[in-house]
Amino acid sequence: GAGVSQTPSNKVTEKGKYVELRCDPISGHTALYWYRQSLGQGPEFLIYFQGTGAADDSGLPNDRFFAVRPEGSVSTLKIQRTERGDSAVYLCASSLYGPGDEQYFGPGTRLTVT
Amino acid sequence: QKEVEQNSGPLSVPEGAIASLNCTYSDRGSQSFFWYRQYSGKSPELIMFIYSNGDKEDGRFTAQLNKASQYVSLLIRDSQPSDSATYLCAVNNQAGTALIFGKGTTLSVSS
Repeated sequence: GAGVSQTPSNKVTEKGKYVELRCDPISGHTALYWYRQSLGQGPEFLIYFQGTGAADDSGLPNDRFFAVRPEGSVSTLKIQRTERGDSAVYLCASSLYGPGDEQYFGPGTRLTVT
Repeated sequence: QKEVEQNSGPLSVPEGAIASLNCTYSDRGSQSFFWYRQYSGKSPELIMFIYSNGDKEDGRFTAQLNKASQYVSLLIRDSQPSDSATYLCAVNNQAGTALIFGKGTTLSVSS
């Protein structure tokens, strides 16, 4: 079956602009996660959704970052007033029930803020 | 700060050898442990998970967990050049809401 998909695959934006990154999880997976990965580092947790609600958003670095999952499937990560330090690969993952299950990653969105 | 530690490598092994990758974690409450493989420029791919103390084998891969020592390892038997990648250890946090990743160990298998 289809895996996790993310769009766009690459996004270049200017400092101060607003961006949206989209994630479509594996069909039937109730849990969805966003991570951020910088070069040479492991993925860093941002937010976890169980259904439509954010069960843990403690990894969001500041209030410029926001994510939604209105219908319990597709999720959008929104970044306002982007900064050069936001440049990274943003990874989305999903799992069938919750964080104790196996998480499967999408291909990621490479965000570059110039 | 809860941490997952891995040697960054590179770990170099000849083709056909056993590669041993190690990981320690600080949160005694962690219950789920995962190994991901990440090729350069690609996203992490799940290769093994283990929840109980002991060994778990899947093909050429064996995951080993020792909760008392807070240690998890991955053995790759009959290593192939295609196994050359970065291997990420991930552990769930005590709240059970997220995975905490190590920085990864780079494995290089020479033919």
